[in-house]
Amino acid sequence: DIQMTQSPSTLSASIGDRVTITCRASQNISTWLAWYQQKAGKAPKFLIYKASSLESAVPSRFSGSGSGTEFTLTISSLQPDDFATYYCQQYSTYSRTFGQGTKLEIK
Amino acid sequence: EVQLLESGGGLVQPGGSLRLSCAPSGFDFNNYAMSWVRQAPGKGLEWVSTISASGYSTYYADSLKGRLTISRDKSKSTLYLQINSLRVEDTAVYYCAKHRSAVYDAFDIWGQGTMVTVSS
Repeated sequence: DIQMTQSPSTLSASIGDRVTITCRASQNISTWLAWYQQKAGKAPKFLIYKASSLESAVPSRFSGSGSGTEFTLTISSLQPDDFATYYCQQYSTYSRTFGQGTKLEIK
Repeated sequence: EVQLLESGGGLVQPGGSLRLSCAPSGFDFNNYAMSWVRQAPGKGLEWVSTISASGYSTYYADSLKGRLTISRDKSKSTLYLQINSLRVEDTAVYYCAKHRSAVYDAFDIWGQGTMVTVSS
């Protein structure tokens, strides 16, 4: 299976900050990568597909980039609603795998 | 509104079985691949199983293979997951998820989840 490793595991930031979360794949997945946001006790919410394509209705402060084995999710100016856990997921193989998650906390 | 509603979770003894259901609304269920994803308490997301739109192709996580059957009923527009020989470590919230389109695609809609607790 392809392993997905996110860093950092926890990120403390303030409202208005620009933050970046990194996701690394154990082998080349081209741009077959998605990002999800999950709040405590809720289902994940879909944010980005194909590494950099923003799902409709997702605020433009979210952006994704990367290809191959290294990817990033950037939030350009943190809003109160953005404090949550973020997961990357590869879907280049049927045995799709998620990163372990990055918890974004208020500083 | 596009929605998924899971049901069928509950408390089951080790070695028991459960069948989870997922009822879609707001989209043509027959046109999309579907998956199940689980999340153990306090842990991350784990992909469990996928079924193609036609239902002819099914895929399972290696760690669960042999104990799972994913299926879909076009006439009832319902997705199912049968889990046998349940273990304590299967305790988790089980989510059904709609693919953007085909099997090799991201999950754009998630249900609210159904809790499965395996305990004696």
